[in-house]
Amino acid sequence: QKEVEQDPGPLSVPEGAIVSLNCTYSNSAFQYFMWYRQYSRKGPELLMYTYSSGNKEDGRFTAQVDKSSKYISLFIRDSQPSDSATYLCAIYTGGFKTIFGAGTRLFVKA
Amino acid sequence: EAQVTQNPRYLITVTGKKLTVTCSQNMNHEYMSWYRQDPGLGLRQIYYSMNVEVTDKGDVPEGYKVSRKEKRNFPLILESPSPNQTSLYFCASSATGDEEETQYFGPGTRLLVL
Repeated sequence: QKEVEQDPGPLSVPEGAIVSLNCTYSNSAFQYFMWYRQYSRKGPELLMYTYSSGNKEDGRFTAQVDKSSKYISLFIRDSQPSDSATYLCAIYTGGFKTIFGAGTRLFVKA
Repeated sequence: EAQVTQNPRYLITVTGKKLTVTCSQNMNHEYMSWYRQDPGLGLRQIYYSMNVEVTDKGDVPEGYKVSRKEKRNFPLILESPSPNQTSLYFCASSATGDEEETQYFGPGTRLLVL
């Protein structure tokens, strides 16, 4: 079993839709969870960072961690064409190491 | 402007021909790392460095070498490239490498090994 699993998509939604992106992970000891956004032909950039369980909101983006289910989510409200990108979940595993999901490609149609 | 730069951005080579991909950061970060990105597999860590002259293996180190002689530079060396090393490579840096630090990624190097 992979340490973190993420559906690669692609996911296509109309402009204004609410988008839900998800990952599952295997190790209940993980505490630090991140979402990165990667535009085509660019390196990933950090979007959101969450410690332990709960929600964190930043503008149209909400990151949610459910440690009981080992499930992490990113919600995008009022999605825009500029949100079209690949979204990668990531988990800091300790020892200077971060593991990444495979990434979900999102297309937001105008 | 704070940034991580990589060169070259695109490279086509043949099996067995040694190559080096350079990485440089201007943020005085202690921690630097190399990843490869493959479809369906996501980003996988190759090597990382916690400071000058301190490096360690990531999850997929076979066939790669690194060095950290200066704080700003962290080159990735493929001494005898093989076709299975065809991939998109990213260098990243962060201030200390611990859990609360953002990693800043370079623009990527797309490598094709024939």
